[in-house]
Amino acid sequence: EAGVTQSPTHLIKTRGQQATLRCSPISGHTSVYWYQQALGLGLQFLLWYDEGEERNRGNFPPRFSGRQFPNYSSELNVNALELEDSALYLCASSLPGLNTEAFFGQGTRLTVV
Amino acid sequence: AQSVTQPDIHITVSEGASLELRCNYSYGATPYLFWYVQSPGQGLQLLLKYFSGDTLVQGIKGFEAEFKRSQSSFNLRKPSVHWSDAAEYFCAVGSYNNNDMRFGAGTRLTVKP
Repeated sequence: EAGVTQSPTHLIKTRGQQATLRCSPISGHTSVYWYQQALGLGLQFLLWYDEGEERNRGNFPPRFSGRQFPNYSSELNVNALELEDSALYLCASSLPGLNTEAFFGQGTRLTVV
Repeated sequence: AQSVTQPDIHITVSEGASLELRCNYSYGATPYLFWYVQSPGQGLQLLLKYFSGDTLVQGIKGFEAEFKRSQSSFNLRKPSVHWSDAAEYFCAVGSYNNNDMRFGAGTRLTVKP
């Protein structure tokens, strides 16, 4: 069974541009989570989607947004990119219900130059 | 809101030695606690989790963790470290009504031959 897949693996953008990151959850998983892992800052919670709805949001500006599609895949959009947005963006998915195990993808390395 | 502190940024142990990684959490009710491991360039893999019941939790790869409510701690232990254990370890806390885990800053483990 395929795990959580993220694309692209690497993404290089210029400051001010927009970035779109994609995540396909494990089959049967309805929840998708996005985390930002910046150097030295650990994992910061960005967004949680479940059944197509945004359930919770971390302490990030509105230029970080996303959505979940009917097939439960998800996109993370980052507008007006800033240099400090450079980070590894990790997506995770889990089965329906509370506090089920989250499975992580390999991440998308976003570099803003 | 829940939060996690991992006091040790970097730990070095000799192969075959015992290991203890510290984790302290802040949460008003009974927390849901997790330990994840991240090898270089990889996503996160769940080592073990605590939801309720026995406070000593066994995980994969020979790891265990003990939940101590009085100390708000969930330290990870391994009796004998292998070179392949070199990685970054993250402690995370979740809440009973929310799936968005909050992670500590991580502890990087180096294993000396």
